[in-house]
Amino acid sequence: TQTVSQSDAHVTVFEGDSVELRCNYSYGGSIYLSWYIQHHGHGLQFLLKYYSGNPVVQGVNGFEAEFSKSDSSFHLRKASVHWSDSAVYFCAVSATSNTNKVVFGTGTRLQVLP
Amino acid sequence: AQTIHQWPVAEIKAVGSPLSLGCTIKGKSSPNLYWYWQATGGTLQQLFYSITVGQVESVVQLNLSASRPKDDQFILSTEKLLLSHSGFYLCAWSSDWGQDTQYFGPGTRLLVL
Repeated sequence: TQTVSQSDAHVTVFEGDSVELRCNYSYGGSIYLSWYIQHHGHGLQFLLKYYSGNPVVQGVNGFEAEFSKSDSSFHLRKASVHWSDSAVYFCAVSATSNTNKVVFGTGTRLQVLP
Repeated sequence: AQTIHQWPVAEIKAVGSPLSLGCTIKGKSSPNLYWYWQATGGTLQQLFYSITVGQVESVVQLNLSASRPKDDQFILSTEKLLLSHSGFYLCAWSSDWGQDTQYFGPGTRLLVL
């Protein structure tokens, strides 16, 4: 079964800083990887996903993520954060053999200070 | 454009009472539908998914059940609530092919006392 871990529960940066949110997965087969954002009290919004091809994928609002098979990672990055990026970010994984079963990480709360 | 609506927005219920949460998707035919539960400050736990009317697959039951009575409707229910059912319930949909993005509803917040 697939698993996903987000090692940082909280990350605090200043506006304009770059940020990397870490995601590591474990699964022996082919997978889909995604990142979602959740603002307080709201549902999740899709940021980006990876299945194959270019390991660097671009998402909405300047976010990008890089897949690394050797590191079993799919870290999310942004070059210059804005205060509105403050939210909880979830990494998610599903096996291509059953894409309806999705496993989410524990989330990373990003706080952007002015 | 597709829209997803969840009802109610929030509920306060007593332990042992019944519960029914609803989710409706408009503007999308034959969607895949999903129920998730999120403990306060916690991660999402997928509960059920459905790829067609009348068919529901259980991932983790947590003493809950789900039904899909119509193509655009997904219902989560239980006859007896537990304290552990408190949390945030999210419904999501995706297209019925491959692994498509999941689109989430606004959620229902449930407090069981």
